[in-house]
Amino acid sequence: EPEVTQTPSHQVTQMGQEVILRCVPISNHLYFYWYRQILGQKVEFLVSFYNNEISEKSEIFDDQFSVERPDGSNFTLKIRSTKLEDSAMYFCASSAAGAAYNEQFFGPGTRLTVL
Amino acid sequence: SQQGEEDPQALSIQEGENATMNCSYKTSINNLQWYRQNSGRGLVHLILIRSNEREKHSGRLRVTLDTSKKSSSLLITASRAADTASYFCATDEGGRRALTFGSGTRLQVQP
Repeated sequence: EPEVTQTPSHQVTQMGQEVILRCVPISNHLYFYWYRQILGQKVEFLVSFYNNEISEKSEIFDDQFSVERPDGSNFTLKIRSTKLEDSAMYFCASSAAGAAYNEQFFGPGTRLTVL
Repeated sequence: SQQGEEDPQALSIQEGENATMNCSYKTSINNLQWYRQNSGRGLVHLILIRSNEREKHSGRLRVTLDTSKKSSSLLITASRAADTASYFCATDEGGRRALTFGSGTRLQVQP
């Protein structure tokens, strides 16, 4: 069964450093998402991406964040200058076209630890 | 309560019993989805129910949706120890694709 994959599974970085989290969505899906879950808190929406551009973003997704689909398979989230409060589990998700079936499938997550 | 709030927050049952979790939300929705998350792991999609559906089944799972009460329930029948996890409902407010998650129900199934 096709699945969303994410790398790395765990990333440790120093405050102020840039990190890039990588995702390979399900191959025939057209919508891509990033969510995050701070330890012990709810899963929060960050951004959605369709047709090579951001379609929605939350207040969390400020200028420190960017997304890119550099080729036909990868989808990346870049955090330009990490802060301690960026420590969280980051989930990538994808869904097929069609608003009526916004069935989003999530990857296993990347645990980001900012020291 | 906030969009997509589950209750109870925690539920402990014996293997073989049924587990029922509830979710309430505030705005109009297109779909409501249920996910499972094992501790520290990813989110596993369980089932999606559309706003014009009232009930849906998938294996041992039964989901109901009452749009007039803005609530949904997830029933797991004949629970197993492997069902131990946190369960979340997630809604997409009309026209948007972003999912709003609740705080989840932690289910413990005792063998």
